[in-house]
Amino acid sequence: KQEVTQIPAALSVPEGENLVLNCSFTDSAIYNLQWFRQDPGKGLTSLLLIQSSQREQTSGRLNASLDKSSGRSTLYIAASQPGDSATYLCAVPLTGGKLIFGQGTELSVKP
Amino acid sequence: GAVVSQHPSRVICKSGTSVKIECRSLDFQATTMFWYRQFPKQSLMLMATSNEGSKATYEQGVEKDKFLINHASLTLSTLTVTSAHPEDSSFYICSARDMRGSSYEQYFGPGTRLTVT
Repeated sequence: KQEVTQIPAALSVPEGENLVLNCSFTDSAIYNLQWFRQDPGKGLTSLLLIQSSQREQTSGRLNASLDKSSGRSTLYIAASQPGDSATYLCAVPLTGGKLIFGQGTELSVKP
Repeated sequence: GAVVSQHPSRVICKSGTSVKIECRSLDFQATTMFWYRQFPKQSLMLMATSNEGSKATYEQGVEKDKFLINHASLTLSTLTVTSAHPEDSSFYICSARDMRGSSYEQYFGPGTRLTVT
């Protein structure tokens, strides 16, 4: 059974810091992994999708890496800003597309 | 990226009534959509998989007679909460799977906040 874990559950950093969010999954037979952002009371915004054949994806200040063999992914946020404050979720799909989510990391970037 | 809309964004209804929530993929066709609910400070819990032209597949513990799902077209899925009770109050989010290309990326709607009084 696929299980997804995210650590830390919450993180508070001063503006400008680089930070890393961690995601681990128990079954390495995945075909992709997605990172999402959720603002309070809102839906999910897709940040990055990494295919199983890829090692990393970059979008602006965000970089996501994937190590299938160890069941890990990281989301690196460079030069954090207060606007980055949100909950970050990683998810892996099962056959048929059902997404299994981690519990999320609640990020707070202080000005 | 692709866009998924939900309507309404917020709804308040009385106990015992039914509420319909719509999920639309605006710029792509989605043979498969998913419905999730989310309680405060918790992650998303998958309720059911909505398949165009066929019956929805419900997750264990989700009452299919209470949460009616209809996926009548390639761009629209609806979730109807029947005989709503206060414990059904939650944040409901849909997603649609973009089958164009090979990424199979999922896009989420903005969510619907249901409050049952």
